[in-house]
Amino acid sequence: ETGVTQTPRHLVMGMTNKKSLKCEQHLGHNAMYWYKQSAKKPLELMFVYNFKEQTENNSVPSRFSPECPNSSHLFLHLHTLQPEDSALYLCASSQEGGGKPDTQYFGPGTRLTVL
Amino acid sequence: GQNIDQPTEMTATEGAIVQINCTYQTSGFNGLFWYQQHAGEAPTFLSYNVLDGLEEKGRFSSFLSRSKGYSYLLLKELQMKDSASYLCAALDSNYQLIWGAGTKLIIKP
Repeated sequence: ETGVTQTPRHLVMGMTNKKSLKCEQHLGHNAMYWYKQSAKKPLELMFVYNFKEQTENNSVPSRFSPECPNSSHLFLHLHTLQPEDSALYLCASSQEGGGKPDTQYFGPGTRLTVL
Repeated sequence: GQNIDQPTEMTATEGAIVQINCTYQTSGFNGLFWYQQHAGEAPTFLSYNVLDGLEEKGRFSSFLSRSKGYSYLLLKELQMKDSASYLCAALDSNYQLIWGAGTKLIIKP
């Protein structure tokens, strides 16, 4: 148990569906991250929020839309996804994002399959 | 460009020692992390090195050579539960984590 929870753990959706992934951290951290993990590939950083403000958007397609209502919660809204978006989506948090070495703590991920 | 290299897969025997290597090329360097990830689970933090040398934490040790752009994770007295993927990640000059693809470690009885 890392103090970061994600729901759902598994999600199957069609290309025309709209769904949301949820992440919650119980560590009192101020930075939260979304990563995409595909088989045998490095983790791809998608979005970073620091004190609820988005500080990174690594050229992610607009069909992925993040939302950070407060420092403890992070959402990833999904719409009109493609089959190549199927992957494990990991959420992480850290004390503060950027400007210092900061250990990230990960949730268990949502395994997404796009049909 | 920035790059992390680590072996894709390694096999070792229960009770033995295994060394997982990681080489990095980054724009600047602010330290190197090792994470463990069991299948279907969250990556969990193992170690952070920023100075040259070996840091030991129980059965696991991590080594860093900044001049060589090289790190390794050493696992001693291997147990079946050590079967997992081990992720190496370097922190660049902007404090961005550059990740390797991970090394899948298989432990055999």
